[in-house]
Amino acid sequence: KQEVTQIPAALSVPEGENLVLNCSFTDSAIYNLQWFRQDPGKGLTSLLLIQSSQREQTSGRLNASLDKSSGRSTLYIAASQPGDSATYLCAVRRYGGSQGNLIFGKGTKLSVKP
Amino acid sequence: EAGVAQSPRYKIIEKRQSVAFWCNPISGHATLYWYQQILGQGPKLLIQFQNNGVVDDSQLPKDRFSAERLKGVDSTLKIQPAKLEDSAVYLCASSISTGGYYGYTFGSGTRLTVV
Repeated sequence: KQEVTQIPAALSVPEGENLVLNCSFTDSAIYNLQWFRQDPGKGLTSLLLIQSSQREQTSGRLNASLDKSSGRSTLYIAASQPGDSATYLCAVRRYGGSQGNLIFGKGTKLSVKP
Repeated sequence: EAGVAQSPRYKIIEKRQSVAFWCNPISGHATLYWYQQILGQGPKLLIQFQNNGVVDDSQLPKDRFSAERLKGVDSTLKIQPAKLEDSAVYLCASSISTGGYYGYTFGSGTRLTVV
């Protein structure tokens, strides 16, 4: 059974700091991995999608890496801003089973202080 | 491109009442998903549609939850009767491919409170 864990559960940093959010998964047989952002009371906004054959993806100040063999992904946020405050969720799309079933972690709640 | 539309945004009902949520996916997206997100948890899949057919409803509590996707476009999720533990955010998502190769797009969700 695929399980996704995100550490830390919460993180508070001063503005301008570079930071790393971690995501680990128990079954390396994944199709892809997606990072989402969720603002309080809102839906999910897709940040980055990494296919299983890729090592990393970048978008602006965000960089996500994927190491399938070790079951890990990291989301790197450069020069953090108060507007980055949100909950960040990672989700893996697994092979087999339900074709579209994304397995989510519980998220990391990020707070960037001005 | 218009996103995934959901309504209502918020709903408060008493236990044992019924409620319905609506979702309109991105145009051209054949696959539609309903997820339930309980506070402090990651979303959990309830049901997946491919066009107007059900692909996976193994985690849908069928004694009280039902969903349909008539004409393979928009979808409705219903709860009848509601329980306190159904309080959650209900998220609709769509993808252009069955396997989600190009990722998933989520709507803003409907926050349900059962009192």
